[in-house]
Amino acid sequence: DQQVKQNSPSLSVQEGRISILNCDYTNSMFDYFLWYKKYPAEGPTFLISISSIKDKNEDGRFTVFLNKSAKHLSLHIVPSQPGDSAVYFCAASESTRGAQKLVFGQGTRLTINP
Amino acid sequence: NAGVTQTPKFQVLKTGQSMTLQCAQDMNHEYMSWYRQDPGMGLRLIHYSVGAGITDQGEVPNGYNVSRSTTEDFPLRLLSAAPSQTSVYFCASSYLSGHGRNSPLHFGNGTRLTVT
Repeated sequence: DQQVKQNSPSLSVQEGRISILNCDYTNSMFDYFLWYKKYPAEGPTFLISISSIKDKNEDGRFTVFLNKSAKHLSLHIVPSQPGDSAVYFCAASESTRGAQKLVFGQGTRLTINP
Repeated sequence: NAGVTQTPKFQVLKTGQSMTLQCAQDMNHEYMSWYRQDPGMGLRLIHYSVGAGITDQGEVPNGYNVSRSTTEDFPLRLLSAAPSQTSVYFCASSYLSGHGRNSPLHFGNGTRLTVT
């Protein structure tokens, strides 16, 4: 049973426009959510996170929105740049003390077209 | 900054062979973990450790062993490789999280393992 789902395997966006990546979760105990970006032949790198006490977190061109009632989060990238082309994973965990056992979605491959 | 270092980058094994995937971090992180990435399934947690001498199972632990004798190193052992273990393996580390305070995982660049 997939607790974190990214239903779009791929997304293609024009350079300069907004990219919106979506993620749904089923476990109501999750209270910490993250987005990771992955280039080929590299490990995932942390992009942005949000705690369940917030509904929005911004970092430069990246904004994550959390809708707890819908168990849905999204990542907005504005404006999209060619270097943003990568696979994006959303992940979730429970904020227990100690081990941060992240549960990942399947990933969405984002392609930014010039 | 080396961060999280994984060796080897690539490995081909025959069914039944054993091997150890190495992972080392130089950030003094207490928490270390192993994930495997398979197409269409994201990353799944194999084993994790919250400190030297302490390990525990993740979502998919069968066929793998781990040990944590030092803070820096967290090797993953395949005792008898099977084709189902063909995957990309990622080691990750972070500080331990406290209530209301979280430390993002830092990942290595992965080991691509093929079992024939």
